[in-house]
Amino acid sequence: EADIYQTPRYLVIGTGKKITLECSQTMGHDKMYWYQQDPGMELHLIHYSYGVNSTEKGDLSSESTVSRIRTEHFPLTLESARPSHTSQYLCASTQGQGRNSPLHFGNGTRLTVT
Amino acid sequence: AQSVTQPDIHITVSEGASLELRCNYSYGATPYLFWYVQSPGQGLQLLLKYFSGDTLVQGIKGFEAEFKRSQSSFNLRKPSVHWSDAAEYFCAVVDSNYQLIWGAGTKLIIKP
Repeated sequence: EADIYQTPRYLVIGTGKKITLECSQTMGHDKMYWYQQDPGMELHLIHYSYGVNSTEKGDLSSESTVSRIRTEHFPLTLESARPSHTSQYLCASTQGQGRNSPLHFGNGTRLTVT
Repeated sequence: AQSVTQPDIHITVSEGASLELRCNYSYGATPYLFWYVQSPGQGLQLLLKYFSGDTLVQGIKGFEAEFKRSQSSFNLRKPSVHWSDAAEYFCAVVDSNYQLIWGAGTKLIIKP
């Protein structure tokens, strides 16, 4: 049962629109992550946060931004959506400090930009 | 550079047959390795992990994986698959920056 929630599950939107993908977790985890997932490809880290007011960019260059004002909430914003942003976006969190701490994932948001 | 290779894009097995999914990693130090499973329309769920100790690790849903340092492999196995095992399976290694490096996944198809 998921303790990390993503909304919306599906979103179809036109080019140029501003969108925010929501992610919330009820586990009190400090670390949160956004990944982009395309079919047949590895997951790519877009942004991550190690706690409130902490945000970092991942490997994937993206025209997105994140904020972490509260521990449980880590929204991802696209200022101007483009067809190249069409993808699945996965949010994840973990509490551990060590390298063996597993991630807990939400069910994803599938974004289509027309 | 650290990397993870899952050589099989998809694998088809009959229900009840055994399964082995391959994972090879490239990492200089002792690797921290994970297998995750993603059912259709869902997020990823941890199956098992290895970071030290016994090289054969047990996970959920009857899965196990064996770490072989000499082969830089961490293959996932299950003695008898069920139709509910149809999903995509991802192998990952933690890099020196404590971030996960992911394989491209293997899609498992179960024949009735």
